Parts: sequence; structure tokens; C-alpha cells
Amino acid sequence: NAGVTQTPKFQVLKTGQSMTLQCAQDMNHNSMYWYRQDPGMGLRLIYYSASEGTTDKGEVPNGYNVSRLNKREFSLRLESAAPSQTSVYFCASSHGQGGQPQHFGDGTRLSIL
Amino acid sequence: LAKTTQPISMDSYEGQEVNITCSHNNIATNDYITWYQQFPSQGPRFIIQGYKTKVTNEVASLFIPADRKSSTLSLPRVSLSDTAVYYCLETGGFKTIFGAGTRLFVKA
Repeated sequence: NAGVTQTPKFQVLKTGQSMTLQCAQDMNHNSMYWYRQDPGMGLRLIYYSASEGTTDKGEVPNGYNVSRLNKREFSLRLESAAPSQTSVYFCASSHGQGGQPQHFGDGTRLSIL
Repeated sequence: LAKTTQPISMDSYEGQEVNITCSHNNIATNDYITWYQQFPSQGPRFIIQGYKTKVTNEVASLFIPADRKSSTLSLPRVSLSDTAVYYCLETGGFKTIFGAGTRLFVKA
């Protein structure tokens, strides 16, 4: 009963390095999301995928790319990491139409030096 | 920019009922009101969702007045393990917006 699984859990990068965060869900959900959460703040939406084969920008997409690999998997890529991207990244999934409750992973803690 | 307004923090004691109120001044007609709970080092967890009137589940109750300008999450008989951040959201489309939430601290 895994739900939403994110890998890795922790990562340290140097400025300019690239990195892909992985997310997989086993609930047969149609929609998937990537958020970032900075200390003391709420989550901000980076990208979302309403259904397999589609992706759309959220509130803070600059510096990121995403791939909806299949219905289960949604990856987030940092092409050239910057210190401002140091954050905790959460992946989530939901059944489908907007507004449905989202199920979250436990996050990836990313530090960029 | 968050659509909702809620208190930054609240304190309570074990065994008390806690009510957290959120303002929804410009909620869209088709939006639901959804509450999440987040513990340190974990992702948010869905608590409850409603459109109007009262919704109750095994964890909490949600009260939404007829004008839908506010919502109140009620946690009966809180315990130390209810210490967390609670978020209220207006959910309709895919672009979910989280505010800073309410930090609830439950004391023994």
C-alpha cells in the first residue's frame, strides 16, 4: 500500500548540476502534481499533469521541466540547479477532475550549494 | 497569492475541541473547500472536504455557512499527535494554491 513514492529522499547538488526527481503512484490516479515548499511557507505548484500525455505550468515553473512518463510516473527535472531551488519537493496525485483530494508523497529534500 | 485567510498559529490543550476558521472572501461558485494536515517532514494529508453545510468524518467536522464566505474545521478532543499545520484551500481546478496554514500546537 505504497501510495505516492518519491526518490531520492535527500540530495545535495552543486550549482549548475542537473537532477531528476522521480515520482510514482500506485492508486491508478489520472492527475499528478509537483510542488515545492520553502521553510515556513505553504506549498507552491510547479507543474501538473491532468492526465497521461498532458502537462501544464503551475505557479512557479521557471527552471524546471517535467515528464509524464506513463500513468504511474511523473518526473521533475532541474537542468541547471540554482541555490534558489533549495527546497523540499512534493509529488501528489489525484483521481482526475480538478478539486479532487490529493495524495502526497513524503518529499525530496534538495540542497543546492 | 493565497486565496484564503486563516490564523497563523493556535495553541490548545489535550482533550479540548479545536476550531480553526478560514475566510473565503472570493470563492468561486464551483469550488469546494478542502482541508489538509501536515506533520514535519511529511507531505500534506487530506482531512476533509465540503461544499456547503456540515460534513463529518472519523477525524474532523467541517462547517460551511450558506454564504460560503468562511469555513471552520473542528477537531474534537485533540491529542499531542494533532500538533501540525492545517491548510484550508479552495479547490476546483488543477491549480491548487496553498497558503501558509495554521500551526496548531497541542500542549499536555
